[in-house]
Amino acid sequence: SQQGEEDPQALSIQEGENATMNCSYKTSINNLQWYRQNSGRGLVHLILIRSNEREKHSGRLRVTLDTSKKSSSLLITASRAADTASYFCATVSSSGNTPLVFGKGTRLSVIA
Amino acid sequence: KAGVTQTPRYLIKTRGQQVTLSCSPISGHRSVSWYQQTPGQGLQFLFEYFSETQRNKGNFPGRFSGRQFSNSRSEMNVSTLELGDSALYLCASSPGSGDTDTQYFGPGTRLTVL
Repeated sequence: SQQGEEDPQALSIQEGENATMNCSYKTSINNLQWYRQNSGRGLVHLILIRSNEREKHSGRLRVTLDTSKKSSSLLITASRAADTASYFCATVSSSGNTPLVFGKGTRLSVIA
Repeated sequence: KAGVTQTPRYLIKTRGQQVTLSCSPISGHRSVSWYQQTPGQGLQFLFEYFSETQRNKGNFPGRFSGRQFSNSRSEMNVSTLELGDSALYLCASSPGSGDTDTQYFGPGTRLTVL
């Protein structure tokens, strides 16, 4: 069963705008990861944030984590057409040695 | 390093047949995980192998099985195929050393069951 739930399911923005995607999860986690998937292809790891971290940056990506609300957000700044993809959050349970559990993803379309 | 490779990339089978998919992990990675991706259910975890042993298993029927070889290459098998098994099957490898491992995904095998 899915643990993460991304919101919105789909997002369409103009190039240059910022895109924000949210993820909620249900149980205690060790870490939360964000992945990107271009249409019909494999997933690419973007960023990992540990449960004791609140914010993390990587290039144009900014991820926040609020463990009290069991939620995370991914912000992509100054979006480009090449950012068009599906974005998934995935959690690793704090109970240890468990597989990634993915949400259903947010489909981002960046219009040039 | 070469990335994760999966073969075949596309496969068409009929109901009742069986299928074997192959995954070669990144050199040095000891963990291989398999996922099924469908439009309705999203990404669902099938199983994980580490050092030739199944370490985790998802909630799939026994028709889905896998194995890992001593060189860390992995195969998954689906017997008695059903229409609902049509999906993108993704394999991912990682060092397997801890919970903060990044998963490196292959391009997937697109299975169509007719």
